[in-house]
Amino acid sequence: EIVMTQSPASLSVSPGERATLSCWASQSVSNNLAWYQQKPGQTPRLLIYGASTRATGIPARFSGSGSGTEFTLTISSLQSEDFAVYYCQQYDSWLNFGGGTKVEIK
Amino acid sequence: EVQLVESGGGLVQPGGSLRLSCAASGFTFSSYWMNWVRQAPGKGLEWVANIKQDGSGEYFADSVKGRFTISRDNAKNSLHLQMNSLRADDTAVYYCARGRYCSGGSCYLAGFAVWGQGTRVTVSS
Repeated sequence: EIVMTQSPASLSVSPGERATLSCWASQSVSNNLAWYQQKPGQTPRLLIYGASTRATGIPARFSGSGSGTEFTLTISSLQSEDFAVYYCQQYDSWLNFGGGTKVEIK
Repeated sequence: EVQLVESGGGLVQPGGSLRLSCAASGFTFSSYWMNWVRQAPGKGLEWVANIKQDGSGEYFADSVKGRFTISRDNAKNSLHLQMNSLRADDTAVYYCARGRYCSGGSCYLAGFAVWGQGTRVTVSS
């Protein structure tokens, strides 16, 4: 089983600042990696698939990079609506989610 | 409008059973694998099971293998999760999510773009 590890577990960022979230896979998942945003009481929302392709309607301030075992989600300038929990998911072999990174207001 | 609507959640005693349903609309249901994903209170997302677009194959997380079954009815655009021998650690919100798109003999996954609103399952005596 591929294990997905996200770091940090939580991140305090001021509005307008850049946030960088990391996700590691225990073995290569190629570029079969997605990122999701989940706000309290809401359904997860797909942000990125294929490691770097933004899903429909996702603002350009969200970008994904990486391949193999190391991946990054960058939010270039945090808006108030971006404070949420972010999950990575590999879909190369079965399906696994990382434990999540909570982005909080500083 | 593309939509998934779950139903069937509730309170059940340990060892009991529950059947969840997911009604799909707004897309060609029979072209997509379908998934169940759960989220325990205050915890992260856990993939539970999925089923091929034509129902010819089902796959399960180790945590539910042998206790849960997944099925679909493409004529009724519906997905089901039969949960038996329920345990306290099955307590969670259960989401259905649209998976791989299949066309011309090939299937593609671009993340789970469509999710239902979730149905809550509580296993407690």
